[in-house]
Amino acid sequence: AQRVTQPEKLLSVFKGAPVELKCNYSYSGSPELFWYVQYSRQRLQLLLRHISRESIKGFTADLNKGETSFHLKKPFAQEEDSAMYYCALNPVGGTSYGKLTFGQGTILTVHP
Amino acid sequence: EAQVTQNPRYLITVTGKKLTVTCSQNMNHEYMSWYRQDPGLGLRQIYYSMNVEVTDKGDVPEGYKVSRKEKRNFPLILESPSPNQTSLYFCASSRTGGSPLHFGNGTRLTVT
Repeated sequence: AQRVTQPEKLLSVFKGAPVELKCNYSYSGSPELFWYVQYSRQRLQLLLRHISRESIKGFTADLNKGETSFHLKKPFAQEEDSAMYYCALNPVGGTSYGKLTFGQGTILTVHP
Repeated sequence: EAQVTQNPRYLITVTGKKLTVTCSQNMNHEYMSWYRQDPGLGLRQIYYSMNVEVTDKGDVPEGYKVSRKEKRNFPLILESPSPNQTSLYFCASSRTGGSPLHFGNGTRLTVT
């Protein structure tokens, strides 16, 4: 079975500081990994997926298969980045494709 | 407007009284799923459906039922709700099982 761990429930930084939200996973196969974000009073929405290797709103995330991690990074945090962030895993190649597992979520607060 | 619509947004009920939370999407997506969000536990998948008449259990299916008779609808049924099912519920859809999810606005359920 797969597992996703976000070790930090709460993360506070000041505006302009670098931020890193940690995500570790365990899965024996080849996973698809995503970051979803929930801003206050808005729906959960996709931020990043590892296969697209895009930078969205200044955030990047690299899949590190050796460390089984998919940490989300931004060099200069902005106040509008304050939100709940979820890391999610989709197990590719098995019979459970589509059975997504989410982490516990990290609430990021960016102070002015 | 492309969206996932859940109803109702808020629901208060009593133990044992059957209820249904509806979910509808207008994007012709094949994949739909249900999640519950609880503090400290993050998002946990209840059920998912890869297509019409194809459903499978997520991580926490006990006490829930689903059906997928039409592509656009994926209702969540609680035959005999209990207080431990008090939670915030989200429906989501995606083009395929590996595509980014589109979430509904959520349904806050309280079972007394």
